[in-house]
Amino acid sequence: GDSVTQTEGPVTLSEGTSLTVNCSYETKQYPTLFWYVQYPGEGPQLLFKVPKANEKGSNRGFEATYNKEATSFHLQKASVQESDSAVYYCALRRASNTNKVVFGTGTRLQVLP
Amino acid sequence: GPKVLQIPSHQIIDMGQMVTLNCDPVSNHLYFYWYKQILGQQMEFLVNFYNGKVMEKSKLFKDQFSVERPDGSYFTLKIQPTALEDSAVYFCASSPGRRANERLFFGHGTKLSVL
Repeated sequence: GDSVTQTEGPVTLSEGTSLTVNCSYETKQYPTLFWYVQYPGEGPQLLFKVPKANEKGSNRGFEATYNKEATSFHLQKASVQESDSAVYYCALRRASNTNKVVFGTGTRLQVLP
Repeated sequence: GPKVLQIPSHQIIDMGQMVTLNCDPVSNHLYFYWYKQILGQQMEFLVNFYNGKVMEKSKLFKDQFSVERPDGSYFTLKIQPTALEDSAVYFCASSPGRRANERLFFGHGTKLSVL
């Protein structure tokens, strides 16, 4: 079945340092890949999505490239801020009878001032 | 932007009682989901729902769980009877269609505390 594996948290960084959260996926077809972010007390919200292989998505300084050959979708940011502290979920969705959306386990990021 | 509303935000209930969690999805959305998140842990899929039917459910969706959306009303998750291990935050999500590139819109969650 479909699955998503991502960096185990928590990840603790100082403000201004770079971030990489690894995400690998398994699926039989060509999915759309997503990064969602969840702030405390809220539901997950879309950070960005990439529907096509070998394309890059970005938002608020975060970016990820849909690497079909490596089946990866690693999240990166060059310089994190304290306000980036949240849980980040990698997810995939493909057209199917059940229309299930598969999430990774989530990576908690804490950015220290 | 479009919002999914979940009512109530917190529900406290005694073990063995019935509870109904309510979700008001985005108005033109057709696909609905429930996810469960135990404090500090990952978000786990429970069930998805379309056109009055359960499309897929996980092992976490026990026999005590049921979902429905009577016409024009809330999308609900009912647990009867509740158990201690049902304590968690339950997130409702909706999607306009079934295309792979469509995002899910999540509510803020209902925290369920079973005593």
